[in-house]
Amino acid sequence: KAGVTQTPRYLIKTRGQQVTLSCSPISGHRSVSWYQQTPGQGLQFLFEYFSETQRNKGNFPGRFSGRQFSNSRSEMNVSTLELGDSALYLCASSLQRESGNEQFFGPGTRLTVL
Amino acid sequence: QQQVKQSPQSLIVQKGGISIINCAYENTAFDYFPWYQQFPGKGPALLIAIRPDVSEKKEGRFTISFNKSAKQFSLHIMDSQPGDSATYFCAACWANNLFFGTGTRLTVIP
Repeated sequence: KAGVTQTPRYLIKTRGQQVTLSCSPISGHRSVSWYQQTPGQGLQFLFEYFSETQRNKGNFPGRFSGRQFSNSRSEMNVSTLELGDSALYLCASSLQRESGNEQFFGPGTRLTVL
Repeated sequence: QQQVKQSPQSLIVQKGGISIINCAYENTAFDYFPWYQQFPGKGPALLIAIRPDVSEKKEGRFTISFNKSAKQFSLHIMDSQPGDSATYFCAACWANNLFFGTGTRLTVIP
């Protein structure tokens, strides 16, 4: 079974631009979560989608948004990029929503904001 | 506010030794506690996980010890190998949201 895939793997943008990242979960997985990883703040939860609906949201500004499609693929968007948005953005998928479901992570998208 | 506190920040262990990483949490709503291993350039990979109704879980060289009353849990890596050199994250889960510790960079010296 193919793992979680994320595209693109690397992105360079400038301040003020917007960016869209894509995540394809493991086949059959319906829950997709997004995390931001930075050296200073570590791994932080952004949001979770299940059956095309955002179920939970972390403590991030409204510039961070996402969506999920009927095939469970998910995208996240960051508008009006700031230097501090430079990070590794990780997507994780799990079979269901209940706690205890293994979350499988993709390799991440490395975003650099100049 | 860091929901999960992890220590130490870095750890150096001789090959064959035991690596111990500790985590503590406050929120009693957490109901699942996984450990992840991350190599440079890769996403975190699930190592082992435990539920709070179990005090210990062992899988191969990896053991989680869980103390519900103290709200602490730890990862023990027995017979540590150079290939175990990576960053380890503990996490606590609520409603399928993972709250991660700050990570421990483990170096196993041959």
